[in-house]
Parts: sequence; C-alpha cells; structure tokens
Amino acid sequence: DIQMTQSPSSLSASVGDSVTITCRASQGISSWLAWYQQKPGKAPKSLIYAASSLQSGVPSRFSGSGSGTEFTLTISSLQPEDFATYYCQQYDTYPRTFGGGTKVEIK
Amino acid sequence: EVQLVQSGAEVKKPGEPLKISCKASGYNFANNWIGWVRQMPGEGLEWMGIIYPGDSDTRYNPSFQGQVTISADRSITTAYLQWTSLKASDTAMYFCARQFGDYSDFDYWGQGTLVTVSS
Repeated sequence: DIQMTQSPSSLSASVGDSVTITCRASQGISSWLAWYQQKPGKAPKSLIYAASSLQSGVPSRFSGSGSGTEFTLTISSLQPEDFATYYCQQYDTYPRTFGGGTKVEIK
Repeated sequence: EVQLVQSGAEVKKPGEPLKISCKASGYNFANNWIGWVRQMPGEGLEWMGIIYPGDSDTRYNPSFQGQVTISADRSITTAYLQWTSLKASDTAMYFCARQFGDYSDFDYWGQGTLVTVSS
C-alpha cells in the first residue's frame, strides 16, 4: 500500500495567516492527489483534486501544488470557517489511502 | 443535484450482523464508483473499499477484506456495507462517497452512519 504522511499533525494560526500543509507519498503518484476538509461531526468535503484543481465552489484562498511524492495545501488568509482538519488522499493505486490528518486550530 | 443519504445510527451487540445503506440520487448510479470510509472515534479516515455498481466490480482494502462486504443494488440506486458478526472495534462512523471515474477523488459524501457495538 502507498503510505501518505502529512505534516504537521496540528498547527495553530490566526485569522489572516497563511498556512501550508505537506503530504508525502511513499511512492510516486503522479498528480493523483486530493485534499479534504473535515469539521467536527461532519462528513469530509472535497477541496482539491488532481493535486492543484479546485473543486467547484471552493474559495480561491485554497491552493494545492506538487506531483510525484511531495504535495502541499496552502490556505492564504485563513478565515474563521477554515479551522478544521485536513486530509490528503492518493488515488493512483488501490487501496486508496489517506494521510493522518492536520488539525488547524485557532491561536 | 447529487445526493448520498445514509441510513441511521445503529447500536448493536458483539456478534450481531448489520447492513447499512447509502441511497444515491441525482446522477448515473451504475457508471460511478461508490466507496466506504471508516472513521473511528477521534481518529483519521480509513479507505475500506469501493464498488462499481455497473458490473459489481469491488476492490477492498486488505485490512478490511473478509471483515465486511460491499454490495450495490442498481434497481434502487443503493450501496451497502455489511458485517456478519460485529466486534466492539467496529464502533465508528462510516461514510459512503462517490468516486467519479477510475482516477478520481471522492467528490460527494454521505452524511455518515454511526455504528456503536457494545455489550
């Protein structure tokens, strides 16, 4: 199975800050990577697919980059509604695998 | 509008069977994969498996193979996740989600079904 490693596992930031989350794959996955946002008690929501393509309706302050084994999710100008947990997922190979998650908390 | 509506919360005893459902609407059910994701209390997301309702092609995470069965009924556009004998460690939230194509993320998600297994 492909292992997905996210870092950091948590971070504290203020409204208006820019934050970056990293996801590393144990082997190359081209650009077959997605990012999800999950708020407590809710289902995950797809934010980015194909490493850098924004899902419809997702604010442009979210951006993704990378290919191969290294990927990043950047949230520029953090808003109150962005405090949540973020997961990466590879969809290059079965079984699909998720990263361990990054909790973004209010400083 | 694409919607995935899951069945309600369940409280079961160890050893009991269970089948939970995910009713799809708003798209061509047969031509899109539907997957299941487990989230244990306070933990991350785990990909369990996926089914293509068009031909019932099913892929399992080896960690869940033999522990659960994924199925789908095209006539009522519903996918299922079932256990023959629950364990306390099956206590978790279970999400269904649509995968649009072979190389796609999960673009739409169900609201989740909480399964509690306790004696």
